[in-house]
Amino acid sequence: EAGVVQSPRYKIIEKKQPVAFWCNPISGHNTLYWYLQNLGQGPELLIRYENEEAVDDSQLPKDRFSAERLKGVDSTLKIQPAELGDSAVYLCASSSGQTFTDTQYFGPGTRLTVL
Amino acid sequence: AQSVAQPEDQVNVAEGNPLTVKCTYSVSGNPYLFWYVQYPNRGLQFLLKYITGDNLVKGSYGFEAEFNKSQTSFHLKKPSALVSDSALYFCAVRDEANFGNEKLTFGTGTRLTIIP
Repeated sequence: EAGVVQSPRYKIIEKKQPVAFWCNPISGHNTLYWYLQNLGQGPELLIRYENEEAVDDSQLPKDRFSAERLKGVDSTLKIQPAELGDSAVYLCASSSGQTFTDTQYFGPGTRLTVL
Repeated sequence: AQSVAQPEDQVNVAEGNPLTVKCTYSVSGNPYLFWYVQYPNRGLQFLLKYITGDNLVKGSYGFEAEFNKSQTSFHLKKPSALVSDSALYFCAVRDEANFGNEKLTFGTGTRLTIIP
């Protein structure tokens, strides 16, 4: 079974430029998460989707960050414009959404560097 | 609010020796506890979880963890360390009292180095 797929793996951009990250969850997983991981820190949730609905986006900086999950499968996270402080690893995870005790499975992440 | 603490940033263990990576948690209800491992330039890989039942949970790659409710701890253990176990380990918690909120709260991670 294929795991969570993310692209690109690495991205280097100039500040004020836009950037987008793509995630394809494990087949059949209804719940999708985007996390931010700063260097030396644990992941922090940005947004959670149940199918195509964003059910928790309280930690998403909505002035510059946006996300979508059209058709309840793939998801895209966008930053516009990027700032120096956005340099981090952006992780996507998915779970079946069947129970509260579900395991979240993570993709390899996208390492963003903003110059 | 749910939280988890990993008191050691770095743990060094000689190859073949037993290893322990510590984790303590704070929740309002019952805890659901997870351990993940992260290798360089890789995402987090699931190792094991405690939901209910036996306090000793066995997981991938020979790892196990012991849930201790009185000490609010969930330490990760392995009887004999391998050099390939060297990685960054994260403990995470979800609070049953927050049912409907699937948020996982992660610790800051412990870097485990196995010395040949």
